[in-house]
Amino acid sequence: DAMVIQNPRYQVTQFGKPVTLSCSQTLNHNVMYWYQQKSSQAPKLLFHYYDKDFNNEADTPDNFQSRRPNTSFCFLDIRSPGLGDAAMYLCATSGMRGGAVPETQYFGPGTRLLVL
Amino acid sequence: QKEVEQDPGPLSVPEGAIVSLNCTYSNSAFQYFMWYRQYSRKGPELLMYTYSSGNKEDGRFTAQVDKSSKYISLFIRDSQPSDSATYLCAMIDSGAGSYQLTFGKGTKLSVIP
Repeated sequence: DAMVIQNPRYQVTQFGKPVTLSCSQTLNHNVMYWYQQKSSQAPKLLFHYYDKDFNNEADTPDNFQSRRPNTSFCFLDIRSPGLGDAAMYLCATSGMRGGAVPETQYFGPGTRLLVL
Repeated sequence: QKEVEQDPGPLSVPEGAIVSLNCTYSNSAFQYFMWYRQYSRKGPELLMYTYSSGNKEDGRFTAQVDKSSKYISLFIRDSQPSDSATYLCAMIDSGAGSYQLTFGKGTKLSVIP
């Protein structure tokens, strides 16, 4: 039944050690998003893909990269995690962009990242 | 001024109470309004999605939008302990062409048995 799946649910990494978080979806949605959410804060959009078209938010640090090898999968790579990157990372998907009514976003359960 | 303001709470109510959660916004281009529920250490789950001003009801939940006042509300009737969660309002400026969500910071709700 799971529609947006994130792995792992918890990730511990060391300061500066690259880490990859993964997201997969069974909804066949065109658009996939990565958000960062820190404690008691709203989710903050990092970037999104419309099909293979990558869209980076202006204030997303270069330390964060993403890959989308196919419709179902999307990865978030953090090249050199710092202590400030400890957060919940949420993946979301939505249907085709540009319709008369925006499709809502469906979120995965999140990956909680701890940086030691 | 942030685009979307939401009182973070925490809000604590007894079981069975009517809960009122609110957001105000400054961008008049916001046209679509959502409420998400987020349990601790889980992803947000969509509760309500509205477009026009007025009320939309779904079971115990009612979403209200007042575009003239730039104010949206979520009412929960007969609140249950299982409603204890953080409630996030979110909005879309469809005119921006990207359909990206702008979230409030969330209100943490506790329903006490």
